[in-house]
Amino acid sequence: EPEVTQTPSHQVTQMGQEVILRCVPISNHLYFYWYRQILGQKVEFLVSFYNNEISEKSEIFDDQFSVERPDGSNFTLKIRSTKLEDSAMYFCASSRGELASTDTQYFGPGTRLTVL
Amino acid sequence: GQQLNQSPQSMFIQEGEDVSMNCTSSSIFNTWLWYKQDPGEGPVLLIALYKAGELTSNGRLTAQFGITRKDSFLNISASIPSDVGIYFCAGQGNAGNMLTFGGGTRLMVKP
Repeated sequence: EPEVTQTPSHQVTQMGQEVILRCVPISNHLYFYWYRQILGQKVEFLVSFYNNEISEKSEIFDDQFSVERPDGSNFTLKIRSTKLEDSAMYFCASSRGELASTDTQYFGPGTRLTVL
Repeated sequence: GQQLNQSPQSMFIQEGEDVSMNCTSSSIFNTWLWYKQDPGEGPVLLIALYKAGELTSNGRLTAQFGITRKDSFLNISASIPSDVGIYFCAGQGNAGNMLTFGGGTRLMVKP
């Protein structure tokens, strides 16, 4: 069964450094998402991406964040200058892009980002 | 923004018992989803509900989409040790595809 994959599984970085988190969505999916989960808290939506552009973003997704689909298979999240509070699990998800009411999102295993 | 209230926050039950958890919202959702998350893993979809009043089963799991579209419940029958994990409800509104998650129910099963 096709799965969303993410790399790396763990990333440790110094505050102020740039990080890029990578995702390979399910191959025939058209919508891509990033969510984050701070330790012990709920999963929070960051951004959705469709047709090579951002379709929705939350207030968390400020100018420090950007997303890109650099080729036909990868979907990346870049954090330009990491802060301590960016430490979290970051989940990529993808969906087929059907009618929103029946479009199921499938999640990757996550990247644990630790900012020191 | 939209918020989901999920309860209970945690449950510690004996193997074989049935479990029930629910989510409520002050806003209407068009889709309700239930996910399970194991430690260090991503959420795995258990059940998706697309119509108000819909009752759907997946093995020992049963979930319902409330008539008002503001609530959903998940039941697990005859719990087993591998049911241990955190269960999240998630709702999808009519403003795009983003999911709003509940706070999770941590389930612990004693053999």
